[in-house]
Amino acid sequence: EAQVTQNPRYLITVTGKKLTVTCSQNMNHEYMSWYRQDPGLGLRQIYYSMNVEVTDKGDVPEGYKVSRKEKRNFPLILESPSPNQTSLYFCASSSGATTGELFFGEGSRLTVL
Amino acid sequence: GDSVTQMEGPVTLSEEAFLTINCTYTATGYPSLFWYVQYPGEGLQLLLKATKADDKGSNKGFEATYRKETTSFHLEKGSVQVSDSAVYFCALRAIQGAQKLVFGQGTRLTINP
Repeated sequence: EAQVTQNPRYLITVTGKKLTVTCSQNMNHEYMSWYRQDPGLGLRQIYYSMNVEVTDKGDVPEGYKVSRKEKRNFPLILESPSPNQTSLYFCASSSGATTGELFFGEGSRLTVL
Repeated sequence: GDSVTQMEGPVTLSEEAFLTINCTYTATGYPSLFWYVQYPGEGLQLLLKATKADDKGSNKGFEATYRKETTSFHLEKGSVQVSDSAVYFCALRAIQGAQKLVFGQGTRLTINP
């Protein structure tokens, strides 16, 4: 089954404790992206990747890092989480940045205390 | 910059009612337009899309027409069902910066039996 898998689905952590949200897709997609969803703001792009070792900032990259060492994986790293990073995070992938349907993971709800 | 504005929610309707969710956009050129649906506890799924002016996207009884003159892409369904209860997002992919989708804030729809 074609899917985008995120882990963890739910996480409560404390300020400053580094964490990683993993994302993996099994569709051999070149393009992957991270979004955060906040009430009243819709989804905003954090980072995206056009292919292995190619990443770039989206609209709200501050406080986040990403890496793309393998085509299937695109982890989101919060080096020093802060309460304003409490949000619902979605990973997405597609066969191309300008074409193809964007497939989303089920989301990771993160709470930073 | 590019933006999408959706009607405020939440929207509550009775089963078999007619649905309209308004969506207008601001973008340079001729963006591609999308409606995504998010069912409870799930990621976003593509519902329908239109890539040029006057195109009509349709799926699962939902329709939306790309209106360049009014910069709109309103979502409609003639007879809603309880299973249509979800959050609906309008989004655009601009010609420039095509690496991301720009989302509206989302509209929560509840259908009562």
